[in-house]
Amino acid sequence: DVKVTQSSRYLVKRTGEKVFLECVQDMDHENMFWYRQDPGLGLRLIYFSYDVKMKEKGDIPEGYSVSREKKERFSLILESASTNQTSMYLCASGQQYEQYFGPGTRLTVT
Amino acid sequence: AQTVTQSQPEMSVQEAETVTLSCTYDTSENNYYLFWYKQPPSRQMILVIRQEAYKQQNATENRFSVNFQKAAKSFSLKISDSQLGDTAMYFCASIQGAQKLVFGQGTRLTINP
Repeated sequence: DVKVTQSSRYLVKRTGEKVFLECVQDMDHENMFWYRQDPGLGLRLIYFSYDVKMKEKGDIPEGYSVSREKKERFSLILESASTNQTSMYLCASGQQYEQYFGPGTRLTVT
Repeated sequence: AQTVTQSQPEMSVQEAETVTLSCTYDTSENNYYLFWYKQPPSRQMILVIRQEAYKQQNATENRFSVNFQKAAKSFSLKISDSQLGDTAMYFCASIQGAQKLVFGQGTRLTINP
């Protein structure tokens, strides 16, 4: 089975803190994705990566950055967390048209 | 740009009933894929069913089937003989080209005993 893991299920941070969300996949997938999930809005793509050290902006990249130093790991970085970044963050990996999701990190910024 | 719309924020049915979730989408492409994903409470999102746009035959996976109307850009999910374990958020999504999924707003489905 494909396994996508995320470093934390729940995270509470203060406004202005730098936040790292980690995602690891074990299926040697080329593609990795970060989404945020908000009620009534579905999932929206923040950033994605097709290969190591490559990244592409998604639909809502403002306030976020990413890092992919190794194929299996894709990190989402909130440079200075704000309250409007309180959300559920989902990582996914895949190839072709299949994507497999991690369990999600519920981030609260106070 | 692709858009996906789910107009039913919540639905509720009795166990063993059949339920249909609606989804419409908009795309200018001819080649694309459509998906239904399921997100159970506090559990991971999983793929329920996939439809390739160039295939006319509707996809089926056990109790789950789709009604794909390409001209109308409609992609509904039918769950037959619903079970308590079907309680979840269901997301319709489309993908084309650069493998970027576009999701609808989601439908919260509750199966009552």
